[in-house]
Amino acid sequence: DQQVKQNSPSLSVQEGRISILNCDYTNSMFDYFLWYKKYPAEGPTFLISISSIKDKNEDGRFTVFLNKSAKHLSLHIVPSQPGDSAVYFCAARNQGGKLIFGQGTELSVKP
Amino acid sequence: NAGVTQTPKFQVLKTGQSMTLQCAQDMNHNSMYWYRQDPGMGLRLIYYSASEGTTDKGEVPNGYNVSRLNKREFSLRLESAAPSQTSVYFCASSEGHVSGYFGPGTRLLVL
Repeated sequence: DQQVKQNSPSLSVQEGRISILNCDYTNSMFDYFLWYKKYPAEGPTFLISISSIKDKNEDGRFTVFLNKSAKHLSLHIVPSQPGDSAVYFCAARNQGGKLIFGQGTELSVKP
Repeated sequence: NAGVTQTPKFQVLKTGQSMTLQCAQDMNHNSMYWYRQDPGMGLRLIYYSASEGTTDKGEVPNGYNVSRLNKREFSLRLESAAPSQTSVYFCASSEGHVSGYFGPGTRLLVL
């Protein structure tokens, strides 16, 4: 039972364009959502988060949108840069305070 | 500040062998976690420790034991390794916030 799903295993985008990574969830009791970025042979690093009481959070080139009625969140990166090439994980916090992760989407930004 | 450190970086085991994965953090965090990452599965929580002296099971605890030796250190033990435990293991710590910090990972291959 995958409570957090990232249905696109990979995404390829041209440098300077927008990257949109998507994530769907099933548990309406999740209270916090996060995005992590992971480079090969490194641990995930926190990127941006959003509380379930908000619908948008922005940090520089990164914006996360939350649509609670659709149980959907997305990460927008604009403009995309080659250094953004990595695996992106979305995660949601459950009632027990633990993080449930999606499967990851590998983003490739081509020069 | 080293953050979260893990040893070893890479290990090969034969089925039935035992080993301990070490994790230490120097950020004075109370909470520590062990995750495993498998292709197509994202990160799954094995065990966590909310504070020194306490440990609890996560999503996939079978085949593992943990010890919270002190506030800094949280070890993961495989008593009798199985090929299904081939994975990349990440330790993480957090304190009073949601995101947490991850170590660089231990790649384990069980033959």
